[in-house]
Amino acid sequence: AQSVTQLGSHVSVSEGALVLLRCNYSSSVPPYLFWYVQYPNQGLQLLLKYTTGATLVKGINGFEAEFKKSETSFHLTKPSAHMSDAAEYFCAVSEGHTGFQKLVFGTGTRLLVSP
Amino acid sequence: DGGITQSPKYLFRKEGQNVTLSCEQNLNHDAMYWYRQDPGQGLRLIYYSQIVNDFQKGDIAEGYSVSREKKESFPLTVTSAQKNPTAFYLCASNPAGGGYTFGSGTRLTVV
Repeated sequence: AQSVTQLGSHVSVSEGALVLLRCNYSSSVPPYLFWYVQYPNQGLQLLLKYTTGATLVKGINGFEAEFKKSETSFHLTKPSAHMSDAAEYFCAVSEGHTGFQKLVFGTGTRLLVSP
Repeated sequence: DGGITQSPKYLFRKEGQNVTLSCEQNLNHDAMYWYRQDPGQGLRLIYYSQIVNDFQKGDIAEGYSVSREKKESFPLTVTSAQKNPTAFYLCASNPAGGGYTFGSGTRLTVV
């Protein structure tokens, strides 16, 4: 079965600093990978996704992630943190590529941004 | 705008009571899902449905039931058999090969 590991349940950065949220996955087939963001008491919003093709994926709000097959990683980065980036972030891997697509989620990383 | 509507936003359940959480989508997606979210545990799959009149158990289906009589609707019932139902419940749907769209969630509390 596929699985996702997010290192660090909490990450703290200062406003303007680099954001790095780590995600490693296990999969027996080429994965589809996703990053979602969740603000308090809200649903999850898709930040970006990797399916095939270019391994560096750009998403919304200045975030990007790089798929590294050799490291089984899909880390999320943003060059300069903003106060509005404070939220919980979830990495997910897909167990299906066409039609039905069951996602397996990591346990999440809460990003704290200080002034 | 297309999206997923979950209702109610907050729900209180008494011991031994069944409650039903609503999930409606107007995205014309075939697949729909119910997840449970607890602090520090991420999202765990309760039930999913690929087409109308068909659904499968996820990883934590005990104490829950669903129906899929219409493409747009996928209600979740939390039965009295679910001993620890207090959680945040999220409904999602996706098109073929696409990422999920989530509803805004229902927070269920046992009183």
